[in-house]
Amino acid sequence: GAVVSQHPSWVICKSGTSVKIECRSLDFQATTMFWYRQFPKQSLMLMATSNEGSKATYEQGVEKDKFLINHASLTLSTLTVTSAHPEDSSFYICSAYDRRGQETQYFGPGTRLLVL
Amino acid sequence: DAKTTQPPSMDCAEGRAANLPCNHSTISGNEYVYWYRQIHSQGPQYIIHGLKNNETNEMASLIITEDRKSSTLILPHATLRDTAVYYCIVRVVVRNTPLVFGKGTRLSVIA
Repeated sequence: GAVVSQHPSWVICKSGTSVKIECRSLDFQATTMFWYRQFPKQSLMLMATSNEGSKATYEQGVEKDKFLINHASLTLSTLTVTSAHPEDSSFYICSAYDRRGQETQYFGPGTRLLVL
Repeated sequence: DAKTTQPPSMDCAEGRAANLPCNHSTISGNEYVYWYRQIHSQGPQYIIHGLKNNETNEMASLIITEDRKSSTLILPHATLRDTAVYYCIVRVVVRNTPLVFGKGTRLSVIA
């Protein structure tokens, strides 16, 4: 199956700082990527849809000015958590469809963010 | 997309078959059944999907009832590494639409 990577795998930052998480499709091009967030003992919640060359689409309740998404190329999407606070501590996961763009969605390994 | 219902948790003895049920009684004719799993602290992993025929791959088998209102994921010989949360998701295959996750079934494989 298609491979999606994320970097970093975990990050600890101080409250008020910004953190950037990268999501890459390694062996395919992805015009669309998705960002999810998962709190402990909960399911994945979709945050936003990242579209190459255009603005991201955010789910209701997700602050677009706090979670900046950039999809500058067909293999890279970035999520920047701006002015992070402890309540932003979570597991962030990106995903993308395979080359055909519809059948199977592949997920990255996730990035664990801890804001102190 | 149709709603799915899964038991919150199940246990399975190592080496035995794990049968994970999923109810999707409101499924429509063009909706597929997908199964993913999430091992602790990892991203979800695709397992298998199907429309109406039974499917098998190197990881598992998917049995869909004739009326398509329920399905069962079968792991033929469960190992400790199969301990994970298993998600059954029903969706119409539309280009670049995201998966929506429910609560899934937490499968514990016991030695």
